[in-house]
Amino acid sequence: QQPVQSPQAVILREGEDAVINCSSSKALYSVHWYRQKHGEAPVFLMILLKGGEQKGHEKISASFNEKKQQSSLYLTASQLSYSGTYFCGTVNTGNQFYFGTGTSLTVIP
Amino acid sequence: ETGVTQTPRHLVMGMTNKKSLKCEQHLGHNAMYWYKQSAKKPLELMFVYSLEERVENNSVPSRFSPECPNSSHLFLHLHTLQPEDSALYLCASSQEEGTSIANEQFFGPGTRLTVL
Repeated sequence: QQPVQSPQAVILREGEDAVINCSSSKALYSVHWYRQKHGEAPVFLMILLKGGEQKGHEKISASFNEKKQQSSLYLTASQLSYSGTYFCGTVNTGNQFYFGTGTSLTVIP
Repeated sequence: ETGVTQTPRHLVMGMTNKKSLKCEQHLGHNAMYWYKQSAKKPLELMFVYSLEERVENNSVPSRFSPECPNSSHLFLHLHTLQPEDSALYLCASSQEEGTSIANEQFFGPGTRLTVL
Protein backbone atom coordinates (compact mmCIF):
# COMPACT_ATOMS: atom_id res chain seq x y z
CA GLN A 1 0.00 0.00 0.00
CA GLN A 2 2.78 2.35 0.96
CA PRO A 3 4.67 3.86 -1.98
CA VAL A 4 8.37 3.16 -2.21
CA GLN A 5 10.82 5.98 -2.77
CA SER A 6 14.27 5.87 -4.29
CA PRO A 7 16.97 6.63 -3.56
CA GLN A 8 16.74 6.37 0.22
CA ALA A 9 19.41 9.01 0.61
CA VAL A 10 21.42 11.30 -1.62
CA ILE A 11 24.20 13.81 -1.07
CA LEU A 12 24.66 16.66 -3.52
CA ARG A 13 26.97 19.59 -3.93
CA GLU A 14 25.37 22.98 -4.41
CA GLY A 15 24.30 23.45 -7.99
CA GLU A 16 23.89 19.75 -8.77
CA ASP A 17 20.62 18.16 -9.83
CA ALA A 18 18.70 15.29 -8.28
CA VAL A 19 15.72 13.12 -9.08
CA ILE A 20 13.59 11.43 -6.42
CA ASN A 21 11.28 8.65 -7.47
CA CYS A 22 8.04 7.39 -5.95
CA SER A 23 6.46 4.12 -6.99
CA SER A 24 3.14 2.59 -6.00
CA SER A 25 1.73 -0.90 -6.45
CA LYS A 26 -1.80 0.49 -6.76
CA ALA A 27 -3.48 2.63 -9.39
CA LEU A 28 -3.21 6.26 -8.37
CA TYR A 29 -5.46 9.28 -8.49
CA SER A 30 -2.85 11.78 -7.33
CA VAL A 31 0.67 12.17 -5.97
CA HIS A 32 1.65 14.73 -3.33
CA TRP A 33 5.19 15.86 -2.50
CA TYR A 34 6.37 17.29 0.84
CA ARG A 35 9.72 18.25 2.31
CA GLN A 36 10.51 17.95 6.01
CA LYS A 37 13.54 19.56 7.59
CA HIS A 38 14.96 18.07 10.75
CA GLY A 39 12.84 18.98 13.76
CA GLU A 40 10.19 20.70 11.64
CA ALA A 41 6.80 19.83 10.21
CA PRO A 42 6.44 18.67 6.59
CA VAL A 43 5.92 21.47 4.08
CA PHE A 44 3.92 21.13 0.88
CA LEU A 45 5.73 21.19 -2.45
CA MET A 46 3.21 20.10 -5.06
CA ILE A 47 0.36 17.83 -6.11
CA LEU A 48 0.05 16.04 -9.42
CA LEU A 49 -3.37 14.84 -10.41
CA LYS A 50 -4.45 12.14 -12.80
CA GLY A 51 -5.06 13.83 -16.10
CA GLY A 52 -2.11 16.17 -15.89
CA GLU A 53 -3.19 18.96 -13.54
CA GLN A 54 -0.55 20.20 -11.13
CA LYS A 55 -0.79 22.38 -8.06
CA GLY A 56 2.25 23.80 -6.35
CA HIS A 57 5.37 25.86 -6.52
CA GLU A 58 6.56 26.99 -9.93
CA LYS A 59 10.21 26.36 -9.09
CA ILE A 60 9.64 22.68 -8.34
CA SER A 61 9.02 20.27 -11.16
CA ALA A 62 7.69 16.76 -11.11
CA SER A 63 6.15 14.18 -13.35
CA PHE A 64 3.38 11.64 -12.87
CA ASN A 65 3.24 8.52 -15.01
CA GLU A 66 -0.27 7.19 -14.38
CA LYS A 67 0.27 3.96 -16.30
CA LYS A 68 3.39 3.07 -14.34
CA GLN A 69 1.97 4.40 -11.07
CA GLN A 70 5.12 6.41 -10.59
CA SER A 71 6.11 9.99 -9.91
CA SER A 72 9.45 11.75 -10.00
CA LEU A 73 10.49 15.00 -8.32
CA TYR A 74 13.17 17.02 -10.08
CA LEU A 75 15.45 19.28 -8.08
CA THR A 76 17.69 21.39 -10.27
CA ALA A 77 20.59 23.64 -9.33
CA SER A 78 20.27 22.53 -5.72
CA GLN A 79 20.73 24.98 -2.88
CA LEU A 80 21.68 24.38 0.74
CA SER A 81 18.05 25.09 1.67
CA TYR A 82 16.92 22.04 -0.31
CA SER A 83 18.31 19.73 2.37
CA GLY A 84 15.69 17.67 4.16
CA THR A 85 13.64 14.53 3.82
CA TYR A 86 11.30 14.38 0.84
CA PHE A 87 8.09 12.40 1.07
CA CYS A 88 5.67 11.48 -1.63
CA GLY A 89 2.08 10.85 -0.66
CA THR A 90 -0.25 8.89 -2.90
CA VAL A 91 -4.02 8.80 -3.16
CA ASN A 92 -5.02 5.55 -4.82
CA THR A 93 -8.23 4.92 -6.70
CA GLY A 94 -9.62 3.39 -3.51
CA ASN A 95 -9.30 6.86 -1.96
CA GLN A 96 -6.58 5.75 0.45
CA PHE A 97 -3.71 8.09 1.27
CA TYR A 98 -0.23 6.84 2.14
CA PHE A 99 3.07 8.63 2.58
CA GLY A 100 6.17 7.07 1.06
CA THR A 101 9.30 5.78 2.73
CA GLY A 102 11.13 9.10 2.39
CA THR A 103 14.33 10.27 0.71
CA SER A 104 16.97 12.09 2.71
CA LEU A 105 18.61 14.81 0.65
CA THR A 106 21.73 16.60 1.87
CA VAL A 107 23.22 19.51 -0.05
CA ILE A 108 26.78 20.42 0.84
CA PRO A 109 28.76 23.52 -0.15
CA GLU B 1 3.84 29.37 11.58
CA THR B 2 1.49 27.38 9.37
CA GLY B 3 -1.75 28.31 11.08
CA VAL B 4 -1.94 24.93 12.81
CA THR B 5 -1.01 24.74 16.48
CA GLN B 6 -0.52 21.70 18.66
CA THR B 7 -0.28 21.34 22.42
CA PRO B 8 1.56 20.13 24.29
CA ARG B 9 4.78 20.10 22.28
CA HIS B 10 6.30 17.42 24.50
CA LEU B 11 4.58 14.80 26.63
CA VAL B 12 5.94 12.03 28.81
CA MET B 13 3.41 9.58 30.18
CA GLY B 14 3.26 6.23 31.87
CA MET B 15 1.45 3.27 30.40
CA THR B 16 -1.47 3.66 32.80
CA ASN B 17 -1.99 7.39 32.27
CA LYS B 18 -4.71 9.09 30.28
CA LYS B 19 -3.76 12.19 28.32
CA SER B 20 -4.99 14.20 25.36
CA LEU B 21 -3.28 15.93 22.47
CA LYS B 22 -4.86 19.06 21.08
CA CYS B 23 -4.74 20.56 17.61
CA GLU B 24 -6.23 23.84 16.45
CA GLN B 25 -6.27 25.27 12.96
CA HIS B 26 -6.84 28.94 12.15
CA LEU B 27 -7.12 28.52 8.39
CA GLY B 28 -10.83 27.90 7.97
CA HIS B 29 -10.21 24.41 6.62
CA ASN B 30 -12.84 21.68 6.65
CA ALA B 31 -10.61 18.60 7.00
CA MET B 32 -8.18 17.64 9.76
CA TYR B 33 -5.78 14.74 10.19
CA TRP B 34 -3.70 12.91 12.77
CA TYR B 35 -0.38 11.37 11.71
CA LYS B 36 2.15 9.28 13.60
CA GLN B 37 5.84 9.64 12.74
CA SER B 38 8.19 7.13 14.32
CA ALA B 39 11.94 7.05 13.98
CA LYS B 40 13.00 5.57 10.66
CA LYS B 41 9.40 4.97 9.59
CA PRO B 42 7.21 6.88 7.18
CA LEU B 43 4.43 9.17 8.23
CA GLU B 44 1.38 7.06 9.05
CA LEU B 45 -2.07 8.54 8.58
CA MET B 46 -4.13 7.62 11.63
CA PHE B 47 -7.43 9.48 11.34
CA VAL B 48 -9.16 11.80 8.90
CA TYR B 49 -12.03 14.11 9.76
CA SER B 50 -13.95 15.89 7.04
CA LEU B 51 -16.66 18.34 8.06
CA GLU B 52 -16.27 17.01 11.61
CA GLU B 53 -17.08 13.44 10.62
CA ARG B 54 -14.49 10.69 10.78
CA VAL B 55 -13.98 9.42 7.25
CA GLU B 56 -10.90 7.29 7.71
CA ASN B 57 -9.42 5.19 10.47
CA ASN B 58 -6.41 3.25 9.37
CA SER B 59 -6.52 0.26 11.72
CA VAL B 60 -5.41 2.30 14.67
CA PRO B 61 -5.51 0.57 18.09
CA SER B 62 -8.44 1.55 20.28
CA ARG B 63 -6.09 3.05 22.87
CA PHE B 64 -6.06 6.06 20.50
CA SER B 65 -9.40 7.85 20.40
CA PRO B 66 -9.92 10.94 18.23
CA GLU B 67 -12.45 13.68 18.75
CA CYS B 68 -13.39 16.54 16.46
CA PRO B 69 -15.87 18.85 18.23
CA ASN B 70 -15.80 21.44 15.42
CA SER B 71 -13.93 22.13 12.20
CA SER B 72 -11.16 24.05 13.98
CA HIS B 73 -10.30 21.65 16.77
CA LEU B 74 -9.07 18.08 16.85
CA PHE B 75 -8.12 15.98 19.85
CA LEU B 76 -6.35 12.67 20.26
CA HIS B 77 -7.19 10.96 23.54
CA LEU B 78 -4.59 8.51 24.77
CA HIS B 79 -5.00 5.73 27.33
CA THR B 80 -3.00 2.66 28.34
CA LEU B 81 -0.37 3.31 25.71
CA GLN B 82 2.62 1.10 25.04
CA PRO B 83 6.29 2.13 24.77
CA GLU B 84 6.13 1.49 21.00
CA ASP B 85 3.59 4.31 20.77
CA SER B 86 6.38 6.78 21.48
CA ALA B 87 6.59 8.98 18.40
CA LEU B 88 5.97 12.42 16.97
CA TYR B 89 2.24 13.00 16.48
CA LEU B 90 1.44 15.50 13.77
CA CYS B 91 -1.82 17.23 13.07
CA ALA B 92 -2.65 18.67 9.66
CA SER B 93 -5.53 20.41 7.97
CA SER B 94 -6.66 21.10 4.42
CA GLN B 95 -9.59 22.47 2.48
CA GLU B 96 -11.30 19.67 0.58
CA GLU B 97 -14.32 19.38 -1.66
CA GLY B 98 -14.93 15.71 -0.96
CA THR B 99 -13.56 12.95 1.22
CA SER B 100 -10.40 12.47 -0.83
CA ILE B 101 -7.21 14.31 0.13
CA ALA B 102 -6.77 16.47 -2.96
CA ASN B 103 -5.23 19.66 -1.65
CA GLU B 104 -2.26 21.01 0.26
CA GLN B 105 -2.07 19.90 3.87
CA PHE B 106 -0.76 22.34 6.47
CA PHE B 107 1.02 20.61 9.32
CA GLY B 108 1.37 21.63 12.92
CA PRO B 109 4.72 21.39 14.74
CA GLY B 110 3.82 18.08 16.35
CA THR B 111 3.74 16.63 19.85
CA ARG B 112 6.74 14.53 20.84
CA LEU B 113 5.27 11.70 22.93
CA THR B 114 7.32 9.40 25.13
CA VAL B 115 5.64 6.45 26.81
CA LEU B 116 7.54 5.00 29.74
